[in-house]
Amino acid sequence: DAGVIQSPRHEVTEMGQEVTLRCKPISGHNSLFWYRQTMMRGLELLIYFNNNVPIDDSGMPEDRFSAKMPNASFSTLKIQPSEPRDSAVYFCASVGRNTGELFFGEGSRLTVL
Amino acid sequence: SQKIEQNSEALNIQEGKTATLTCNYTNYSPAYLQWYRQDPGRGPVFLLLIRENEKEKRKERLKVTFDTTLKQSLFHITASQPADSATYLCALDEGTSYGKLTFGQGTILTVHP
Repeated sequence: DAGVIQSPRHEVTEMGQEVTLRCKPISGHNSLFWYRQTMMRGLELLIYFNNNVPIDDSGMPEDRFSAKMPNASFSTLKIQPSEPRDSAVYFCASVGRNTGELFFGEGSRLTVL
Repeated sequence: SQKIEQNSEALNIQEGKTATLTCNYTNYSPAYLQWYRQDPGRGPVFLLLIRENEKEKRKERLKVTFDTTLKQSLFHITASQPADSATYLCALDEGTSYGKLTFGQGTILTVHP
């Protein structure tokens, strides 16, 4: 299995631009999570989906952030408009049915200038 | 307020010694506690999961203990090797949904040859 696949690996953009991060979870995994990692705050859960349905988005910092999961094999995290404080590494992770361990992607490093 | 603390930001040990990392938490009732390894520029990788009714779990050179009275987990790496150098993260799962984890800030372990 290829694991959780994220794209792009690196994104540099200017303040005000729209950013879209993409994730393909492991096939057969029914839950998908978006985490953000910064030096100051560590790994924070932004939102998670069960069976493609958003369950808890309380970690999404502002309305500028949105996430979708149109099908079991694809999710996006969008930031519009982006700000310098959004600079971080964004991780997608999936977990199988009735297990607890998360499988993380390699992350998308976002820099907003 | 809820808090997870990994007591050492950085730990340096000599090759062959046992590394012991600590994870303390307050105001949580975790159903599970997990440990992950993260290498620079990579996503976290699952190592071990221990349930609230388990006192100890082992996997090769790794050992995890979980004391719900002390609200503490210890993570041991015996016969440490330079290849064990990485950041180690503890994470709590309160059992509301598989994979919905709250992470500590991590401990950077360096094993010197």
